[in-house]
Amino acid sequence: SQKIEQNSEALNIQEGKTATLTCNYTNYSPAYLQWYRQDPGRGPVFLLLIRENEKEKRKERLKVTFDTTLKQSLFHITASQPADSATYLCALYKRGGKLIFGQGTELSVKP
Amino acid sequence: DTAVSQTPKYLVTQMGNDKSIKCEQNLGHDTMYWYKQDSKKFLKIMFSYNNKELIINETVPNRFSPKSPDKAHLNLHINSLELGDSAVYFCASSQDGKDYNIQYFGAGTRLSVL
Repeated sequence: SQKIEQNSEALNIQEGKTATLTCNYTNYSPAYLQWYRQDPGRGPVFLLLIRENEKEKRKERLKVTFDTTLKQSLFHITASQPADSATYLCALYKRGGKLIFGQGTELSVKP
Repeated sequence: DTAVSQTPKYLVTQMGNDKSIKCEQNLGHDTMYWYKQDSKKFLKIMFSYNNKELIINETVPNRFSPKSPDKAHLNLHINSLELGDSAVYFCASSQDGKDYNIQYFGAGTRLSVL
């Protein structure tokens, strides 16, 4: 069956360090992958998108990689800040289909 | 101005009641969605409408009925509410054919069925 898995346990890191979140998938051939941020009591907000033919995308302190052989995307936040604390969701889009979301990883950045 | 707005933000009701959640988007998008997020944070699509036409209808009990009076509005009506319907419901919109289906979400409606 088709599955998307993100680190189920919360990730706790120290301010200034790089946070790395993982999104693994099975039995999909996604056309592209998206990352969203969700704060408590709010809806998810789009951050970055990476296409199947791209290896890496950057936006300010954010970097996303996409390895279609490993069926994995990594999401990095460099020089993390307490304001980066949130839940981060990955979502896959299959051609002709819909967006399928992972369950999210909660990130906590301590000062 | 809020891009995707849904009301109410909180809904507390008894089992067996019927309730509605409203959603409006002012982004000019063609496609609107309803998602359900359970206590484990899984965000699952329920319905999708494109220009008032139903295009995605996941395995959702037929007690849930979406209605799209125009492409800027998508409402969700739920009949005979059950305990298992308790969740956060998100409305979202996206622009067809552009922006790789990026979803713009509302703030959510937390439904508690007692």
